[in-house]
Amino acid sequence: AQSVTQPDIHITVSEGASLELRCNYSYGATPYLFWYVQSPGQGLQLLLKYFSGDTLVQGIKGFEAEFKRSQSSFNLRKPSVHWSDAAEYFCALGGSNYKLTFGKGTLLTVNP
Amino acid sequence: GAVVSQHPSWVICKSGTSVKIECRSLDFQATTMFWYRQFPKQSLMLMATSNEGSKATYEQGVEKDKFLINHASLTLSTLTVTSAHPEDSSFYICSAKASGGAGSKNIQYFGAGTRLSVL
Repeated sequence: AQSVTQPDIHITVSEGASLELRCNYSYGATPYLFWYVQSPGQGLQLLLKYFSGDTLVQGIKGFEAEFKRSQSSFNLRKPSVHWSDAAEYFCALGGSNYKLTFGKGTLLTVNP
Repeated sequence: GAVVSQHPSWVICKSGTSVKIECRSLDFQATTMFWYRQFPKQSLMLMATSNEGSKATYEQGVEKDKFLINHASLTLSTLTVTSAHPEDSSFYICSAKASGGAGSKNIQYFGAGTRLSVL
């Protein structure tokens, strides 16, 4: 069975600080991995995706993520957080039948 | 590109009535759409997979007679919550999977969600 774990339920960072959100997955084959962001009362916006190839992927809004097969991880990073980055972040794994399995999400709070 | 429109964004209805939610892919064709339910401060729970021109596939525990899904065209899927009750109150989100090349097939684009409140 496939699963996604986001160990951190809530993270608080200061504006301008660096950010890393953790994501671990369990899957028996090469995974398709995604990071989505959700603002309150809104749908999900795709930040970035990993299918194959370069393990460091760049996304929108200055985010990047690194796929590490040996650690079954796909952590999201941003060098300098902006107040507008405050939101809920979901890591997702794409498996059979194109279904997505989501982690429970990490709520990011940005202090001024 | 890859915009998914979901309507309405918020609906309030009386217990026992039915509510229809629309999900449209505006600038691409989507042979497959997905319907999710999200409880407050929780992750998304897949309810069903909607395939154009065929019956939807429901996840275990989801009542197909309560949550009717129709995917009549390549750009439109609808979810009807029949005989809604207060426990059906939730945030419903749809997504559409692009019908393009091998890589893009795995990308889902999400609507903005519908908040349903059943009184």
